[in-house]
Amino acid sequence: DVKVTQSSRYLVKRTGEKVFLECVQDMDHENMFWYRQDPGLGLRLIYFSYDVKMKEKGDIPEGYSVSREKKERFSLILESASTNQTSMYLCASSVPPHIEQYFGPGTRLTVT
Amino acid sequence: GNSVTQMEGPVTLSEEAFLTINCTYTATGYPSLFWYVQYPGEGLQLLLKATKADDKGSNKGFEATYRKETTSFHLEKGSVQVSDSAVYFCALSDGSGYSTLTFGKGTMLLVSP
Repeated sequence: DVKVTQSSRYLVKRTGEKVFLECVQDMDHENMFWYRQDPGLGLRLIYFSYDVKMKEKGDIPEGYSVSREKKERFSLILESASTNQTSMYLCASSVPPHIEQYFGPGTRLTVT
Repeated sequence: GNSVTQMEGPVTLSEEAFLTINCTYTATGYPSLFWYVQYPGEGLQLLLKATKADDKGSNKGFEATYRKETTSFHLEKGSVQVSDSAVYFCALSDGSGYSTLTFGKGTMLLVSP
């Protein structure tokens, strides 16, 4: 069965902290994605990766970076957390040529 | 660019009522279309999909037909249950580049007994 896991369900950080959100998939998928979900805005793509060490910016990359050192793991990094980054963060993966994405349970991040 | 427009919620229904959630899209080429569902406290799950015009996707009693002439992919269910209460997202992929998904803003469905 397909499984995407995220390191934390809930996280509280202070403004200015460096924050790491981890995502692991056990399906040997090439593609991995990070989204943020906000009420009234739906899901917005932050970054995605189509291979180890490869990354592409999504629609809202500002204030974020990513790392993919191993195929199964994709990390989202907030270099200096700000209150406007308080959100639900969702990780997903997929395998070409299939387009459908498989999602993790999400991390609800609060920055105070 | 690509975009997906969904009807705003919440949609409130009584159990066994008929459900329609409207979804229209703008895309280049011939996109694939999806409905995802998010139950409270969980991530998104793929509900159904359609990859070409006139295809009908179906799952768990839900259906949606890919209508190219009206650029629509409306979600329907004949008789909703309380357990269908969730947020529903319409999404598309235009198949170019890395096949990223463009999502609508989501529609919350609340079903009461």
